[in-house]
Amino acid sequence: TQLLEQSPQFLSIQEGENLTVYCNSSSVFSSLQWYRQEPGEGPVLLVTVVTGGEVKKLKRLTFQFGDARKDSSLHITAAQPGDTGLYLCAGDGVGNNQGGKLIFGQGTELSVKP
Amino acid sequence: SQTIHQWPATLVQPVGSPLSLECTVEGTSNPNLYWYRQAAGRGLQLLFYSVGIGQISSEVPQNLSASRPQDRQFILSSKKLLLSDSGFYLCAWSTRTAQPQHFGDGTRLSIL
Repeated sequence: TQLLEQSPQFLSIQEGENLTVYCNSSSVFSSLQWYRQEPGEGPVLLVTVVTGGEVKKLKRLTFQFGDARKDSSLHITAAQPGDTGLYLCAGDGVGNNQGGKLIFGQGTELSVKP
Repeated sequence: SQTIHQWPATLVQPVGSPLSLECTVEGTSNPNLYWYRQAAGRGLQLLFYSVGIGQISSEVPQNLSASRPQDRQFILSSKKLLLSDSGFYLCAWSTRTAQPQHFGDGTRLSIL
């Protein structure tokens, strides 16, 4: 069974600080996605990474896929209160006979205080 | 563009009552469809997924069932709700050959 371990589970920081969220697995994924979810709403896709070692930037957010495609990280620079939310990583298990289903991490609840 | 609609947004039901949550997708054909349940502030647990009309795969044994009567319609049901069925239910779709998944706004189900 494929699992994604996401850390930390909770993160409370001051506006302007930097932070990194990690997503780790012992399994290889065809691709990995990061979502952000606000209370009472569905998750919204931030980025998909596909190639080992790939780095993608979305304004102050930097996403990296590990060389072996088993792990990923999300780094936020100069966090703002608007970054507050639940961040979820999810791996595409197609390459491991998972039928196209996503394996979700447990989420990181980020709170950025002004 | 593609859209996904999920309703109702909130629902309060007594224990033992039936349930029907509906999800429809517009702007795409032959989508993969998914039902998830999410505990407060945590990750998503996949309940059911469907790759076509009438084709349902169940991920975890439970008090719920799913049906796909039309290509872009996915329904989550129960004959008798339990207290443990409370939670936030999310519907999602994806294309057949590529991710990512696109989510509805969810249904907050409270069982009394």
